[in-house]
Amino acid sequence: AQSVTQPDIHITVSEGASLELRCNYSYGATPYLFWYVQSPGQGLQLLLKYFSGDTLVQGIKGFEAEFKRSQSSFNLRKPSVHWSDAAEYFCAVGLYSGAGSYQLTFGKGTKLSVIP
Amino acid sequence: GAVVSQHPSRVICKSGTSVKIECRSLDFQATTMFWYRQFPKQSLMLMATSNEGSKATYEQGVEKDKFLINHASLTLSTLTVTSAHPEDSSFYICSARDRGGADTQYFGPGTRLTVL
Repeated sequence: AQSVTQPDIHITVSEGASLELRCNYSYGATPYLFWYVQSPGQGLQLLLKYFSGDTLVQGIKGFEAEFKRSQSSFNLRKPSVHWSDAAEYFCAVGLYSGAGSYQLTFGKGTKLSVIP
Repeated sequence: GAVVSQHPSRVICKSGTSVKIECRSLDFQATTMFWYRQFPKQSLMLMATSNEGSKATYEQGVEKDKFLINHASLTLSTLTVTSAHPEDSSFYICSARDRGGADTQYFGPGTRLTVL
């Protein structure tokens, strides 16, 4: 079965500093990969996704992620963090479930705190 | 962008009552919707996959008679928590797959259920 590991439960960075959130996955084939962000008490917003092609993916809000097959990783990066980026970040793997659809398996999340 | 709404956003009910949560895709058709449950400071756990016009597929350990899912149209899925108990208190989030080709799941804002 597929699994997703986010090794860092909580990360604190200063505003303006760079950010990298780690994500490793276990899956038998090349997966669909996603990063979502969740603000307190809210649903999830898609930041970016990787299905195939260019391994460096650009997303919204200045985020990017790089798929590295050799490391089974899909780390999320941002060159300069803003205070509004403070939230919970979830990495997810999509498993094809037939009928043109797929199911998501989520990591446990990384909480990002930003120091002004 | 694709928008998914949930109603209500919060509900408090007495033990033994039933609660219905609606999930709507507002600007796209969703043949498939998903229902997740999220405990405090935890990741999202997939409860069931709902396909329009057919029975939902429940994940292992999820009681289908407890959590009734109906996906009557391409824009609406409902989750009914029957005979709710305090242990059913949780954050319930739905997502909808964009049938139009983006092949992305869009998430609703979630429903906070508290059972007294």
